[in-house]
Amino acid sequence: NAGVTQTPKFRILKIGQSMTLQCTQDMNHNYMYWYRQDPGMGLKLIYYSVGAGITDKGEVPNGYNVSRSTTEDFPLRLELAAPSQTSVYFCASSYLQGNEKLFFGSGTQLSVL
Amino acid sequence: GESVGLHLPTLSVQEGDNSIINCAYSNSASDYFIWYKQESGKGPQFIIDIRSNMDKRQGQRVTVLLNKTVKHLSLQIAATQPGDSAVYFCAEKGTDKLIFGTGTRLQVFP
Repeated sequence: NAGVTQTPKFRILKIGQSMTLQCTQDMNHNYMYWYRQDPGMGLKLIYYSVGAGITDKGEVPNGYNVSRSTTEDFPLRLELAAPSQTSVYFCASSYLQGNEKLFFGSGTQLSVL
Repeated sequence: GESVGLHLPTLSVQEGDNSIINCAYSNSASDYFIWYKQESGKGPQFIIDIRSNMDKRQGQRVTVLLNKTVKHLSLQIAATQPGDSAVYFCAEKGTDKLIFGTGTRLQVFP
């Protein structure tokens, strides 16, 4: 099992550019999440999904969009990149409801300049 | 509101000693708590969890203690090894989402 796979690992964007962070999991987990981690800070929930076709906002959803067309994939879209979106992004999945025992990907380090 | 904090941002311990990482939480209604370990350049990795109906839970070399009276959570690592060097996060399950603390960096020196 690969677990949770994120691509790319690093990316530099210019202000106003758009990009999609990819996330896929092969554990057949229903629940998937996107977090951002700013330096010296804890993880903040951006969006989450309880199953294919269902998504919901987390604590910091502004500037992001998600979709969940399959159980395996949960891409995160930045439409107009801003410097405030410079962060490390982690995708996670869980078998259990309510964010319990999350399995995290290795992260995408994004810089917006 | 909900918040999770840590008493010490950095903890330095000698190899072989026991480590204790502390965490305070504010929501007395939280019923589930987790500790994660994050090594440099990697995603957080689940270590151990505990439910609010328990005071203590043990894993391999790790023990989590929960004191609901003072809303305090701790992670004890026995015989700390260089591979334990990482940032450790506690998280509490609030209404329906996890709230993460800012993390404690554990440094292990020979």
